[in-house]
Amino acid sequence: DAEITQSPRHKITETGRQVTLACHQTWNHNNMFWYRQDLGHGLRLIHYSYGVQDTNKGEVSDGYSVSRSNTEDLPLTLESAASSQTSVYFCASAQGTGGSTDTQYFGPGTRLTVL
Amino acid sequence: GDSVTQMEGPVTLSEEAFLTINCTYTATGYPSLFWYVQYPGEGLQLLLKATKADDKGSNKGFEATYRKETTSFHLEKGSVQVSDSAVYFCALENSGGSNYKLTFGKGTLLTVNP
Repeated sequence: DAEITQSPRHKITETGRQVTLACHQTWNHNNMFWYRQDLGHGLRLIHYSYGVQDTNKGEVSDGYSVSRSNTEDLPLTLESAASSQTSVYFCASAQGTGGSTDTQYFGPGTRLTVL
Repeated sequence: GDSVTQMEGPVTLSEEAFLTINCTYTATGYPSLFWYVQYPGEGLQLLLKATKADDKGSNKGFEATYRKETTSFHLEKGSVQVSDSAVYFCALENSGGSNYKLTFGKGTLLTVNP
């Protein structure tokens, strides 16, 4: 069955280190998204991509970057991890058939702790 | 900009009780509206959606009606079960200004006791 996976599921790192969270989907979806989930804030969009070589900033993009070199993967990089980036991170994908409202399918999440 | 406001809870109910979780939105144009559910330790799953005014989305006994006049999309279920315990998120997608991106409410934690 097609799916969306995230790795690692849990990560502890230190302030200042570079961290990369992986997201892989097997639906061949055009659109991919990264969100962070924090208590009292719900989910907030970090970055998104509408296709290979396309990336866009979301509402909380500072300190994060993404790259889209193929359809299946959208890795999220924290260039220099900060304690404020301790959160649960969710990746999602959607087909994106142009003009329609597509369901977003979410991965299981990565819990990141920055000490 | 677009925004979603939902009752934050937590909401605690007994099994077979009636559930309402309120959701209102602010958006330009004609957004599509969604309810997502997050079970403990899992990612979000689409529960139901409505794409135009007066549409009713329904799934697993849950219902929500898109009310443009009151800018609302309240989630209801007639008889909740313990297995419905989860966090529920209301969201909108506004194709006019931000294709395919979802704007979420803060989530409502529902606990159903036997």
